Amino acid sequence: ETGVTQTPRHLVMGMTNKKSLKCEQHLGHNAMYWYKQSAKKPLELMFVYSLEERVENNSVPSRFSPECPNSSHLFLHLHTLQPEDSALYLCASSQETSGGTLRDTQYFGPGTRLTVL
Amino acid sequence: GDSVTQMEGPVTLSEEAFLTINCTYTATGYPSLFWYVQYPGEGLQLLLKATKADDKGSNKGFEATYRKETTSFHLEKGSVQVSDSAVYFCALRGRGWVNAGNMLTFGGGTRLMVKP
Repeated sequence: ETGVTQTPRHLVMGMTNKKSLKCEQHLGHNAMYWYKQSAKKPLELMFVYSLEERVENNSVPSRFSPECPNSSHLFLHLHTLQPEDSALYLCASSQETSGGTLRDTQYFGPGTRLTVL
Repeated sequence: GDSVTQMEGPVTLSEEAFLTINCTYTATGYPSLFWYVQYPGEGLQLLLKATKADDKGSNKGFEATYRKETTSFHLEKGSVQVSDSAVYFCALRGRGWVNAGNMLTFGGGTRLMVKP
């Protein structure tokens, strides 16, 4: 148990559905991340919320939309996904410090296994 | 930009064998280095880390030493168990302000299979 929970653990959706993935961290961290883990590909960073700033990877399609209502919760809203979006979606959190100092470790949730039909 | 290169798997060993998984990196400055492990059906868990040159991270019998001169952070364990079967990821994290190019950079992962 890392202190980062994700729901649901498994999700099957059609290409026309709208669903949301939820992540919650109980560690008091101030940064949260979404990663995508596909078979035979390196982990891909999708989105970051850090120090109340959103930093995003410009290569992420607009059918993925993150939301971070507070420092403990992170959502990934999904709509009109494609079968190639099927993957394990991992959430992580960390404690970021300002002033350019070294950041702490990222703690990962168990992931949501998404299957798009 | 930063990059991490790991040996490709799968690595198949018998129980009690010695394990080495190679990891080399490219980064500016002096990054922090990590090994994460992912057991089947689970997310990533931090296994160990090192934050400066010559540091040795260790946990659960695994060790890795931060070698600045060879830009390496190889993972070792003297005697593996079946329960060590998992995918192992080497990662680095640069220093400085948060920006899109300064996050954790992962290697491709190495699958370890330990047979009884």
